[in-house]
Amino acid sequence: GNSVTQMEGPVTLSEEAFLTINCTYTATGYPSLFWYVQYPGEGLQLLLKATKADDKGSNKGFEATYRKETTSFHLEKGSVQVSDSAVYFCATGPNYGGATNKLIFGTGTLLAVQP
Amino acid sequence: DAGVTQSPTHLIKTRGQQVTLRCSPKSGHDTVSWYQQALGQGPQFIFQYYEEEERQRGNFPDRFSGHQFPNYSSELNVNALLLGDSALYLCASRRSGREETQYFGPGTRLLVL
Repeated sequence: GNSVTQMEGPVTLSEEAFLTINCTYTATGYPSLFWYVQYPGEGLQLLLKATKADDKGSNKGFEATYRKETTSFHLEKGSVQVSDSAVYFCATGPNYGGATNKLIFGTGTLLAVQP
Repeated sequence: DAGVTQSPTHLIKTRGQQVTLRCSPKSGHDTVSWYQQALGQGPQFIFQYYEEEERQRGNFPDRFSGHQFPNYSSELNVNALLLGDSALYLCASRRSGREETQYFGPGTRLLVL
């Protein structure tokens, strides 16, 4: 079945530093890829998504590009803020003709941004 | 527009008891999924409901069961609770169709003593 591997945390950065969180996946077919963010004590919020190869998802300064050749979907942000401190989850879903059902998540990466 | 709502927010039970968690999907959504998130882990898929039927199931025992009502809301039931069932239970909803994103609720935190 599908699986996701993301870099272990915690990742500790200073404000305005560049962020990369690596994510690779294994899947049959052409899955959709997602990044979700979880702030302390809260549920998951969709950060961005990409549904086919070479798509770039972007939101709130975060970006990730669906790379089929390297089976990767790395999350990047040019300048992080203290408010970005959270746990970030990479996820994949099966793509049965475009319908996404269950999501398979990585273990999460804790990001701590210091002022 | 209300998002996905879940109740209760927190719950404490003892081993062997039974628990029911509730979820109301986002307006316009007809498909509900449940996930279990153990501390420090990513969410694990339990099952998905659509048209009041369980459509897909993850690797969870029969102690975990669910229901979907005609108004698309859903319940998750867990029988014979074990200590290992302590987790954050997340409900996610989406509109059936192609490439529809899942939206998550805030979760119910269950502690089994």
